[in-house]
Amino acid sequence: AQSVTQLGSHVSVSEGALVLLRCNYSSSVPPYLFWYVQYPNQGLQLLLKYTSAATLVKGINDFEAEFKKSETSFHLTKPSAHMSDAAEYFCAVTIQTGANNLFFGTGTRLTVIP
Amino acid sequence: NAGVTQTPKFQVLKTGQSMTLQCAQDMNHEYMSWYRQDPGMGLRLIHYSVGAGITDQGEVPNGYNVSRSTTEDFPLRLLSAAPSQTSVYFCASSYSSSAGAGETQYFGPGTRLLVL
Repeated sequence: AQSVTQLGSHVSVSEGALVLLRCNYSSSVPPYLFWYVQYPNQGLQLLLKYTSAATLVKGINDFEAEFKKSETSFHLTKPSAHMSDAAEYFCAVTIQTGANNLFFGTGTRLTVIP
Repeated sequence: NAGVTQTPKFQVLKTGQSMTLQCAQDMNHEYMSWYRQDPGMGLRLIHYSVGAGITDQGEVPNGYNVSRSTTEDFPLRLLSAAPSQTSVYFCASSYSSSAGAGETQYFGPGTRLLVL
């Protein structure tokens, strides 16, 4: 079975500070990994995804994530937080066989302090 | 393209009532799915479809039915609503139904359901 664990349901950072949101995965076969963002009262929007090409993945709005197989991690980072980054972030996993079903973590709510 | 659309945006039901949540996509996507989002639990897969006429259960299918008679539409039916079905429901779709393709799933805006 596959799953993801997001450490920290709430993260607060100051505007301009580094953003680090943690995601660890569990999968018996090579996974594909995704980060989605959800702004208040909206649907989910893809930030970036890892599909076994480059291990360092760049996404929209200067977010990036690095796939580390040895640590079973796919942490999301951004060098400098903006007020507009305040949202909920979800890490998700699928496996390379079978249907394109996503398994989500429980989410991390990011607050940006001015 | 309108992308993935969902109706209604918000609905209040009484226990035991039935209703259908509508989902449509205009991107000719093969794969469609329904998730529910509950506080502290992330999104959980209810049902999914890998093509017209083909549906299957996800993690939390009990109390929900689906059908896929066309490529574009994937309605979710609650036959007898229960308070435990109070949630936000998201429909999603992707071009390929195969996880190996690494396709992005595109999400609708959601339907907020309250069951009293």
